[in-house]
Amino acid sequence: AQTVTQSQPEMSVQEAETVTLSCTYDTSENNYYLFWYKQPPSRQMILVIRQEAYKQQNATENRFSVNFQKAAKSFSLKISDSQLGDTAMYFCAFFPLNDMRFGAGTRLTVKP
Amino acid sequence: EAGVTQFPSHSVIEKGQTVTLRCDPISGHDNLYWYRRVMGKEIKFLLHFVKESKQDESGMPNNRFLAERTGGTYSTLKVQPAELEDSGVYFCASSQEGLGSSYNEQFFGPGTRLTVL
Repeated sequence: AQTVTQSQPEMSVQEAETVTLSCTYDTSENNYYLFWYKQPPSRQMILVIRQEAYKQQNATENRFSVNFQKAAKSFSLKISDSQLGDTAMYFCAFFPLNDMRFGAGTRLTVKP
Repeated sequence: EAGVTQFPSHSVIEKGQTVTLRCDPISGHDNLYWYRRVMGKEIKFLLHFVKESKQDESGMPNNRFLAERTGGTYSTLKVQPAELEDSGVYFCASSQEGLGSSYNEQFFGPGTRLTVL
């Protein structure tokens, strides 16, 4: 089975600080994609960052970066200089072949 | 450009009733996906359309769920008869046609929150 595990149901961080959300996955595939999606309260889910498994370099998007450890099947998201607008549910997702697998989500609250 | 839209945003029905959810993908997107998130659990894949054809419906929980995409545009997901465990948020997503096993970004709709009493 191909699964995605987010072990932190809830997290909080002070504004301007850095927070890391963890994600592990299980697969026998060698080529796949990994994603972090963000769903702000009462709003649509949007893609934050994506990583192709064949790329060794960690993806970065402004304040968002990932730590991709393929051997360990780990894909954590680091948010630097957290902003109030980062408050949201964050879903880790994995695309091995034809469909997306999601984790249960981490609810992040950024405190002023 | 309009994003993925879903209707209704919320639906409250009684056990045994029928509900139909609608998803309008981004224009030109051949791929359409349905997902479901039961409270506190992971978002689970339900099925995938390529145009009007069901590419993969391995995630459909049982035969009370029927998805259609006539004409390859909008899609409906009907639950008949609804059970308590069907409560959750149903997401729709769409993407452009991919090349081989490549991935094209899926754009998500806002979801429909279904409550079965």
